[in-house]
Amino acid sequence: TQLLEQSPQFLSIQEGENLTVYCNSSSVFSSLQWYRQEPGEGPVLLVTVVTGGEVKKLKRLTFQFGDARKDSSLHITAAQPGDTGLYLCAGEPANTGNQFYFGTGTSLTVIP
Amino acid sequence: NAGVTQTPKFQVLKTGQSMTLQCAQDMNHEYMSWYRQDPGMGLRLIHYSVGAGITDQGEVPNGYNVSRSTTEDFPLRLLSAAPSQTSVYFCASSYSLGRNTIYFGEGSWLTVV
Repeated sequence: TQLLEQSPQFLSIQEGENLTVYCNSSSVFSSLQWYRQEPGEGPVLLVTVVTGGEVKKLKRLTFQFGDARKDSSLHITAAQPGDTGLYLCAGEPANTGNQFYFGTGTSLTVIP
Repeated sequence: NAGVTQTPKFQVLKTGQSMTLQCAQDMNHEYMSWYRQDPGMGLRLIHYSVGAGITDQGEVPNGYNVSRSTTEDFPLRLLSAAPSQTSVYFCASSYSLGRNTIYFGEGSWLTVV
């Protein structure tokens, strides 16, 4: 069992649809980050959320950090083919220090 | 800017062979780490280092060794390769953890036959 579980694992949607990806844990995190990974490349940071309940928007992407800092969500509005990729949540547990864990990943395909 | 550089990009090993994956960063980052990525499992932390001379184990350290003799370099050694170590390996670095961006190398595709 991994520290950060993401759902769904795979998502295939039509262009223009909305979607939400969830990142859950039983542990409290100091902060959570969301990364996007393209095939053959390393992950690239999208956003960092720090405060429980925090909401951040990046164009059509909305990120939320749970009030208890144990979960997060990524909502994409009007998905586009360019959004296709692997989305990963990641963070440093509040009680471990110096260890940074990644979620299980959500593979998103947006069909034109 | 070079960022994080990993070599080799592709490698095929026979079971029982040893090898070293090289990782170098030119951003003067204190924190470096190695992850492996397998289908459906995201990235799992193998080993990490918070500075030269300091290393520690992550989630899946068995079968791997690391050392950090300089700030720039963080090699990952496979002691006796096993088919279960077939994976994509990513080296990463950042100023510190938490709110700082983690920068990744391009990955090393390793197949153990």
